[in-house]
Amino acid sequence: AQSVTQPDIHITVSEGASLELRCNYSYGATPYLFWYVQSPGQGLQLLLKYFSGDTLVQGIKGFEAEFKRSQSSFNLRKPSVHWSDAAEYFCAVGGDTGGFKTIFGAGTRLFVKA
Amino acid sequence: GAVVSQHPSWVICKSGTSVKIECRSLDFQATTMFWYRQFPKKSLMLMATSNEGSKATYEQGVEKDKFLINHASLTLSTLTVTSAHPEDSSFYICSAPRSGSSYNEQFFGPGTRLTVL
Repeated sequence: AQSVTQPDIHITVSEGASLELRCNYSYGATPYLFWYVQSPGQGLQLLLKYFSGDTLVQGIKGFEAEFKRSQSSFNLRKPSVHWSDAAEYFCAVGGDTGGFKTIFGAGTRLFVKA
Repeated sequence: GAVVSQHPSWVICKSGTSVKIECRSLDFQATTMFWYRQFPKKSLMLMATSNEGSKATYEQGVEKDKFLINHASLTLSTLTVTSAHPEDSSFYICSAPRSGSSYNEQFFGPGTRLTVL
């Protein structure tokens, strides 16, 4: 069955510090992986996606993620966090099976302290 | 980029009434759309897949008679919450994949916040 696990419910980092949000997935075929960000009361914004090729993908707002098939992981990173990055982050998986459905992880709430 | 709109953005209704939420793909056609429900401080739960010209496919545990889905055209899907009750209060989000784009390039609507009194 398809599933996504984000083990950290919330994370607090200092502004300017580096960030890594963890994501593990379970998928029976080649996964397509996504990271979305959601600010309070807002819709979802796609940060980056992985379909194939280079396992290190660059996204918007200075985010990047690395696909590691052996670990079934797709962790999100940012070298220097800004206060405006405080939001909810969702990892998601989809694929050719399951009718193109996207399954979301539980989300990680990022708090940024001054 | 592709745009998906939802209407209304928020709605308050009395218990027992029905509420219709529209999801439109504004600049592309979508034979499939997805409806999600998000509880406060929770993740998105896929409710159903809306298929143009055929019946929607519901996820396990979702009441199809409660959440009626109609995909009337290639740019419009509607979700009707029938006989709404306070426990139906939630944030409903739709998404649509754009044909010809990278697989599952899902474009999400801004969401509709439903409050049932």
